[in-house]
Amino acid sequence: AQTVTQSQPEMSVQEAETVTLSCTYDTSESNYYLFWYKQPPSRQMILVIRQEAYKQQNATENRFSVNFQKAAKSFSLKISDSQLGDTAMYFCAFMKDSNYQLIWGAGTKLIIKP
Amino acid sequence: DTGVSQDPRHKITKRGQNVTFRCDPISEHNRLYWYRQTLGQGPEFLTYFQNEAQLEKSRLLSDRFSAERPKGSFSTLEIQRTEQGDSAMYLCASSGDRERSEQYFGPGTRLTVT
Repeated sequence: AQTVTQSQPEMSVQEAETVTLSCTYDTSESNYYLFWYKQPPSRQMILVIRQEAYKQQNATENRFSVNFQKAAKSFSLKISDSQLGDTAMYFCAFMKDSNYQLIWGAGTKLIIKP
Repeated sequence: DTGVSQDPRHKITKRGQNVTFRCDPISEHNRLYWYRQTLGQGPEFLTYFQNEAQLEKSRLLSDRFSAERPKGSFSTLEIQRTEQGDSAMYLCASSGDRERSEQYFGPGTRLTVT
């Protein structure tokens, strides 16, 4: 069975700083996807970034980038130039290539301070 | 707005009552997912439809839970004989053929069982 672990329940940084959120996962699959989703307070889940396991190049979306270490089963999210609007719960999620179930971590609460 | 919509947004019910939630996916999406999220946790997969066919069901989906997607468009999730442990946020997501792995979420239905 696949598991996703986020070891940081809460993080807090100053606006404009860079922050890295950690995620590790366990799977015996060779083909899969990894995701970071953002859930702002009282708002819906938003896809931040996606990584396909067969791609060695780390995904990047504007200020958001990942460090995907397949052998170590690690998938961290880096947010550069953090903004107040980045305050949210961040969830790491895993999906096997053969089905469409998302397996989720417990989340990291990120607070950006002015 | 052509995003995923869910109705109602909030539902308070007494233990033992039946409740039904509705999800309208993004119009061109043929896959629809239900997840449950309890406070402070990541979502848990419940079930998944491709068009009108229910392809996967989690063991979390007890006999009291039933989901339908009769015409391959909107979906309903019914909980019979609600229990206090059913109190949670019920999330719906959809995805399309163009990028099957990317799921787009609705705002959720928050259920409180008293």
